[in-house]
Amino acid sequence: QQQVKQSPQSLIVQKGGISIINCAYENTAFDYFPWYQQFPGKGPALLIAIRPDVSEKKEGRFTISFNKSAKQFSLHIMDSQPGDSATYFCAASMTTASKLTFGTGTRLQVTL
Amino acid sequence: GAVVSQHPSRVICKSGTSVKIECRSLDFQATTMFWYRQFPKQSLMLMATSNEGSKATYEQGVEKDKFLINHASLTLSTLTVTSAHPEDSSFYICSATRGSTEAFFGQGTRLTVV
Repeated sequence: QQQVKQSPQSLIVQKGGISIINCAYENTAFDYFPWYQQFPGKGPALLIAIRPDVSEKKEGRFTISFNKSAKQFSLHIMDSQPGDSATYFCAASMTTASKLTFGTGTRLQVTL
Repeated sequence: GAVVSQHPSRVICKSGTSVKIECRSLDFQATTMFWYRQFPKQSLMLMATSNEGSKATYEQGVEKDKFLINHASLTLSTLTVTSAHPEDSSFYICSATRGSTEAFFGQGTRLTVV
């Protein structure tokens, strides 16, 4: 019940395209859903996060869509750039400050 | 955002020895710190949660006698891998929170046991 499933495992997008990564969770007690970006050899960095009372949140080129009834949420990266090439993790937790359960990760490659 | 620093960033140790990794919150007092382990091309798996001044809470399957966690102050937590073996080679990452804010992650420590 603690799992967070993430897809796809890898993604190749052309520069300027839209990258879409999906996650699904089982535990309805989760109340905080962040997305992290991780470059090789570095720790994860928070990109954007959402709570279940909102269906969408946008920050710059990054948008989270949240479907509470389906227990799914997704990350959209608009106008994808080569600098966006990294591994992206979705995560979930009971509160903003509690332990995180991570998805399996998506390796995004943005080609020229 | 707040800064969390890990030291060392890379360490190589001989099998059977112990190695200590430090996690410091540089500009805030961290009420809770978390330790994660990440194997190559895999996700982050939580090892333990530590609150300042109290014993760490370990996740199921994590040997508390092997992975010693100390959170002696509001700005420092340490993870000691005791009697390290090659299978302990991994990327260890800490994160810290203050009150109800989101977690801030360190840059990670690459441990290689030879």
